[in-house]
Amino acid sequence: NAGVTQTPKFRVLKTGQSMTLLCAQDMNHEYMYWYRQDPGMGLRLIHYSVGEGTTAKGEVPDGYNVSRLKKQNFLLGLESAAPSQTSVYFCASRESDNEQFFGPGTRLTVL
Amino acid sequence: EDQVTQSPEALRLQEGESSSLNCSYTVSGLRGLFWYRQDPGKGPEFLFTLYSAGEEKEKERLKATLTKKESFLHITAPKPEDSATYLCALGRGSQGNLIFGKGTKLSVKP
Repeated sequence: NAGVTQTPKFRVLKTGQSMTLLCAQDMNHEYMYWYRQDPGMGLRLIHYSVGEGTTAKGEVPDGYNVSRLKKQNFLLGLESAAPSQTSVYFCASRESDNEQFFGPGTRLTVL
Repeated sequence: EDQVTQSPEALRLQEGESSSLNCSYTVSGLRGLFWYRQDPGKGPEFLFTLYSAGEEKEKERLKATLTKKESFLHITAPKPEDSATYLCALGRGSQGNLIFGKGTKLSVKP
């Protein structure tokens, strides 16, 4: 099993550009999450999904959209990137009340 | 308000020098206290989950304990490969979402 994978690993955008980050998991987990991690801030929840076709807002959802069209995939979109969205983005998944499994991260820089 | 505070922010140890990391918390309905390890440039890796006060779990040189207000991660005779950032997280709410502390960066020198 590959676990949780994220695409791409690195990306540089200019202000105003759009992009989509892809998260895939092969563990058949119901729950999926998107976090951002910034120096001195810890991991913060952006959006999450409790099953295929569902999405919900987390702690810092502004400027992001998500979709969960297939159970194994969770997409994070930035419609108009801003320098404040420079961060490392992590995807995670879990089943029921168990621990979350994290992907390797995407390092995004917005110029 | 649910809150997680980790201390210290950074800890430097000599190989073999045992110590403890602290995670203090306030939460309205605890659905697990989680410990993760994060190496530079990688995603967090799950270590332990504790659900009730008095519970303890061990893995190699690590032992996690839980009270009603805090959790400790005890590191016994650490080795350089234990160097990493250790994250504490609270599970709470109807969905069991996690809120993370800012982490403790542990460095173990040979």
